[in-house]
Amino acid sequence: EPEVTQTPSHQVTQMGQEVILHCVPISNHLYFYWYRQILGQKVEFLVSFYNNEISEKSEIFDDQFSVERPDGSNFTLKIRSTKLEDSAMYFCASVGQLGNSPLHFGNGTRLTVT
Amino acid sequence: AQSVTQLDSHVSVSEGTPVLLRCNYSSSYSPSLFWYVQHPNKGLQLLLKYTSAATLVKGINGFEAEFKKSETSFHLTKPSAHMSDAAEYFCVVSVTYNTDKLIFGTGTRLQVFP
Repeated sequence: EPEVTQTPSHQVTQMGQEVILHCVPISNHLYFYWYRQILGQKVEFLVSFYNNEISEKSEIFDDQFSVERPDGSNFTLKIRSTKLEDSAMYFCASVGQLGNSPLHFGNGTRLTVT
Repeated sequence: AQSVTQLDSHVSVSEGTPVLLRCNYSSSYSPSLFWYVQHPNKGLQLLLKYTSAATLVKGINGFEAEFKKSETSFHLTKPSAHMSDAAEYFCVVSVTYNTDKLIFGTGTRLQVFP
């Protein structure tokens, strides 16, 4: 069964550094998402992306964050200047069409900001 | 606004005994509801979904959930727990009729004792 692939599985970075998290959604999917889960807290929506533009973003997704689909397969989340509170598990997800289809999630990237 | 409440943060059962993980939802329209499972160091895997078809939904690994509109509940059950069921379980509601944005519950950690 096709999977959403995220790399790396664990990223350690210093405060103030830029970090890029990588995702390869399922190949025929058209809608892409990033969610995050701070340790011990609930999974939170960050952003949705369709047709090469952001369709919705949460208040968490401020100017430090950006997403990009640089080619036909990758979907990246960039954090420009990381803060300690950005430490979390970041999940990428995709879906083929809106409606009754559930999101397919990747295994996540654990980001640790020191 | 849509929301879900998972009533138990931890549930412990013995192997072979029934599992009940409780979830109540709030939605201004007929919701789409999901249960996802997260095993340690793994991603979010869909267990089952409800999208206004049959109220009793069967999922993978012997889990099922019943949508009860009168009680605004969507509890997850399994007749007989297995050691491999130990994981974090999330009740999830979609914000709109499509799955453009998901709202997660706080999660229930299921422990299974031999």
